[in-house]
Amino acid sequence: DAKTTQPNSMESNEEEPVHLPCNHSTISGTDYIHWYRQLPSQGPEYVIHGLTSNVNNRMASLAIAEDRKSSTLILHRATLRDAAVYYCILQGGADGLTFGKGTHLIIQP
Amino acid sequence: EPEVTQTPSHQVTQMGQEVILRCVPISNHLYFYWYRQILGQKVEFLVSFYNNEISEKSEIFDDQFSVERPDGSNFTLKIRSTKLEDSAMYFCASSEYVVSNNEQFFGPGTRLTVL
Repeated sequence: DAKTTQPNSMESNEEEPVHLPCNHSTISGTDYIHWYRQLPSQGPEYVIHGLTSNVNNRMASLAIAEDRKSSTLILHRATLRDAAVYYCILQGGADGLTFGKGTHLIIQP
Repeated sequence: EPEVTQTPSHQVTQMGQEVILRCVPISNHLYFYWYRQILGQKVEFLVSFYNNEISEKSEIFDDQFSVERPDGSNFTLKIRSTKLEDSAMYFCASSEYVVSNNEQFFGPGTRLTVL
């Protein structure tokens, strides 16, 4: 699986938007960009995924650069419950996900 | 909403003993996975299972590990002779389709402690 690079941690205030970046310069044409998160003491949880176009769902938005070498997960209005580790993962097949260290998102009240 | 369940939530065992971790994937899902997370470290892929056979396994999944789908609902991970370094959270996951744009649903995990 191609490698992704994320900041170790980010901090934001409650009720403000959060932009979590991810670089994946070696992405291949068939790789999907997936985002998962892991709340404290829980299993990973799917957030969103995309291939080329920007995507929106009830949890977040995913903005994908035109060259697909980077992407940004957008939480439109962060709550304390969004404090978690966020993982950007490239998926080229149906097999196991390769998790990195992710970004530890801290939300200040 | 359907969810992946895992039992037990916490398992304590002596080094050298066999353990079986159990998972009930979401009922219409076809693809099943096991991952582990040693305390403070990354989530690591162990094995994927499809159509009653292993589809992919990582280097971690050596001969002491095995997986089985003994009936239509359960999916198990067996560790034959546990070592201290097997202490970790073990997560089961399942997905509906066998494609790369499909999400995986994770269970809450089993904490395995090897003494």
